[in-house]
Amino acid sequence: DAGITQSPRHKVTETGTPVTLRCHQTENHRYMYWYRQDPGHGLRLIHYSYGVKDTDKGEVSDGYSVSRSKTEDFLLTLESATSSQTSVYFCAISDLYREAKNIQYFGAGTRLSVL
Amino acid sequence: QQQVKQSPQSLIVQKGGIPIINCAYENTAFDYFPWYQQFPGKGPALLIAIRPDVSEKKEGRFTISFNKSAKQFSLHIMDSQPGDSATYFCAASRYSGGSNYKLTFGKGTLLTVNP
Repeated sequence: DAGITQSPRHKVTETGTPVTLRCHQTENHRYMYWYRQDPGHGLRLIHYSYGVKDTDKGEVSDGYSVSRSKTEDFLLTLESATSSQTSVYFCAISDLYREAKNIQYFGAGTRLSVL
Repeated sequence: QQQVKQSPQSLIVQKGGIPIINCAYENTAFDYFPWYQQFPGKGPALLIAIRPDVSEKKEGRFTISFNKSAKQFSLHIMDSQPGDSATYFCAASRYSGGSNYKLTFGKGTLLTVNP
């Protein structure tokens, strides 16, 4: 999975609790992304980062925040988890100067269940 | 607003058949079109990609056909094998400002190749 480690791989939590998912890369890629994957919706971008401390919203960012304090780590936080956030979360990385036109490489995913 | 429409949602073929997955887009700002393959429990992996100035690209048994005027592109899998059974996503990339590009994904096609 292209030097990308997501943790945890599985998590079950309760509604209203905070949850943090971690993405760690060893490729020194500049760009990092968080997606969620749901049946019938494909992959939808939550947030992305274009450098340390530089982040921006994707199409489904409500209820999520991110942080990137080091090149290798990108954290996704659900401040107060809801059942609608039950999903599989994927981290992806890319580096514009190594691949043309934003080819993204994905981690193995985190399966999150909010009960 | 779904910017990349993918069809069919699911597809079943016999071994040796040629499954075809179609995608259509509307935004002419898209300028790179990758396909991803995803096996159960894994993250999406880049399979093959094409630029809009090329009408066809082949890599092994996988071929992308691209019709710029119709804003459509498709994936063909020659001599399909049971090991090709997976979910396939088309995607489209566009410049989104600064040095960043964004990917928009289709909703995916679940391909089953029967022995």
